[in-house]
Amino acid sequence: AQSVTQLGSHVSVSEGALVLLRCNYSSSVPPYLFWYVQYPNQGLQLLLKYTTGATLVKGINGFEAEFKKSETSFHLTKPSAHMSDAAEYFCASNFGNEKLTFGTGTRLTIIP
Amino acid sequence: DAGITQSPRHKVTETGTPVTLRCHQTENHRYMYWYRQDPGHGLRLIHYSYGVKDTDKGEVSDGYSVSRSKTEDFLLTLESATSSQTSVYFCAISDPEGGIYGYTFGSGTRLTVV
Repeated sequence: AQSVTQLGSHVSVSEGALVLLRCNYSSSVPPYLFWYVQYPNQGLQLLLKYTTGATLVKGINGFEAEFKKSETSFHLTKPSAHMSDAAEYFCASNFGNEKLTFGTGTRLTIIP
Repeated sequence: DAGITQSPRHKVTETGTPVTLRCHQTENHRYMYWYRQDPGHGLRLIHYSYGVKDTDKGEVSDGYSVSRSKTEDFLLTLESATSSQTSVYFCAISDPEGGIYGYTFGSGTRLTVV
């Protein structure tokens, strides 16, 4: 079955430290992959997406993600965490159709 | 979010009553979706529409119905609300044929069934 798995429902990092949020997918077709961010009491905002081409994708707010087919992964990183990065992050894929399937989310806490 | 609005933003209703949530878009996107968000479950698809009067079920469609009589409006109805339908509901739009991969989300409707 096609699925998106986010490892770690809660991640805490110190301000200025590396942020790494993990996402793995299971798919029999080349997926389009997305990362969304949700700030408290708001909707979801697209951070970045991978469709085709370059496997290292840069998004907003200094985030980037790398599509690794051999590892079926699409991990989200940011070199230096900022307090404003505290939010919930969702990985998603469309698995070749028009419906997005989401992971269960990772809540990122930034420690001052 | 620009181009997509949900109403109401908050609603408290009693068990057994019907409830309708509205999603309105000004982007002329073909696809519209309703998701619910619950802790530990992420977002789960309830129903979606791929055109006027063309709708289909998602993974958690029981107890919900939808209608789309105009491109810009997508209504979600809870026929007889239950406490298990207490959730935050998000509408989203997309236009894959136009190359708009991924969704644009509304701000959500927080529904409490008491």
